[in-house]
Amino acid sequence: QQQVKQSPQSLIVQKGGISIINCAYENTAFDYFPWYQQFPGKGPALLIAIRPDVSEKKEGRFTISFNKSAKQFSLHIMDSQPGDSATYFCAARKAAGNKLTFGGGTRVLVKP
Amino acid sequence: DTAVSQTPKYLVTQMGNDKSIKCEQNLGHDTMYWYKQDSKKFLKIMFSYNNKELIINETVPNRFSPKSPDKAHLNLHINSLELGDSAVYFCASSQETSGRPEQYFGPGTRLTVT
Repeated sequence: QQQVKQSPQSLIVQKGGISIINCAYENTAFDYFPWYQQFPGKGPALLIAIRPDVSEKKEGRFTISFNKSAKQFSLHIMDSQPGDSATYFCAARKAAGNKLTFGGGTRVLVKP
Repeated sequence: DTAVSQTPKYLVTQMGNDKSIKCEQNLGHDTMYWYKQDSKKFLKIMFSYNNKELIINETVPNRFSPKSPDKAHLNLHINSLELGDSAVYFCASSQETSGRPEQYFGPGTRLTVT
């Protein structure tokens, strides 16, 4: 049973455009929702994160929108750049053990 | 300075062999993790240790045995390697006692079993 569902699997966007990645979760025990960015051959790097008591968080060109009632959250990458081309993972955490459950990942390609 | 480091970066071995992967973090964190990323890029937690105590042990074959000699190190030993063990293994760390959930990942070890 996949507890965190991520879509789309891949995304192509033009430079300067907006990339939008969506995640949905099932378990209401999740209390922290990070996004990770992974480049080929590298480990996932924490990009931005949100707690369920906040509906939106923005850091630079990256924004998380969170809808607690719908159990959905999304990552928006504004003014997408070729250097943003990477795989993005959403995740959800259960406090016990700080256990992260990851979505399946979205491969983003930003065309110049 | 590398925050979370792993050795080796690449590991190629034959079925049936035993191998170990090492992880070290210099962030002063008290909790360390092992994740497996399969060929489809799916990331799944395997184990976590807090101050050398096993906290999370997912449904991982008992051929996999983590060991934490101190809170800065977490090693993963794999016995009787199988083809299905081929994956990238990531170590991560976090600071649990301060209530900070952020996990920081190492660069990964690509294990190929032939």
